[in-house]
Amino acid sequence: SQKIEQNSEALNIQEGKTATLTCNYTNYSPAYLQWYRQDPGRGPVFLLLIRENEKEKRKERLKVTFDTTLKQSLFHITASQPADSATYLCALDTSGNTPLVFGKGTRLSVIA
Amino acid sequence: ETGVTQTPRHLVMGMTNKKSLKCEQHLGHNAMYWYKQSAKKPLELMFVYNFKEQTENNSVPSRFSPECPNSSHLFLHLHTLQPEDSALYLCASSQDLSSGGNTQYFGPGTRLTVL
Repeated sequence: SQKIEQNSEALNIQEGKTATLTCNYTNYSPAYLQWYRQDPGRGPVFLLLIRENEKEKRKERLKVTFDTTLKQSLFHITASQPADSATYLCALDTSGNTPLVFGKGTRLSVIA
Repeated sequence: ETGVTQTPRHLVMGMTNKKSLKCEQHLGHNAMYWYKQSAKKPLELMFVYNFKEQTENNSVPSRFSPECPNSSHLFLHLHTLQPEDSALYLCASSQDLSSGGNTQYFGPGTRLTVL
């Protein structure tokens, strides 16, 4: 069956460290993978998109990798800050005119 | 401000009431979505419209009835809801459903409480 899994429900890290979140999928062949941020009580906000032929994408302190062999994407936040505390969602673009498939999210807490 | 607005932001209703949620997008998009998010739970896709045609209905109970009169507006009509329907209801839009064109822009949500 098709599955998308984000490594852990919650992740706590110390301010200044690099946070690494994982998104694994099975029985999908996504053309794109997207990452979103969601704050409590609000809608998700799009952060980054990476294509299947791209290994890495960066935006300021964010870096996303996409390994179609391992069927995995890693999302890194370097020099993390308490303001980065939120839930981060990965989403698969499976093509074929279908909506994105969202993971359950990882709740990141950056402790000062 | 994402260009997607939702009204009302908060709604309290009894189980016998009829109410409607409204979503409007100012992005020129052609696809619109309704999601339900219960407390500390993942997003649940409810309905999808693409070019005003409903393309997905994920086994949503008939007490939820969507309406998409044009590409900019989406409604969710509610009637005889149950307390377990209390949740954050999120609307989103995207350019369309094509690969690479389906980045979603979410509204702020309607916090619904059913008494």
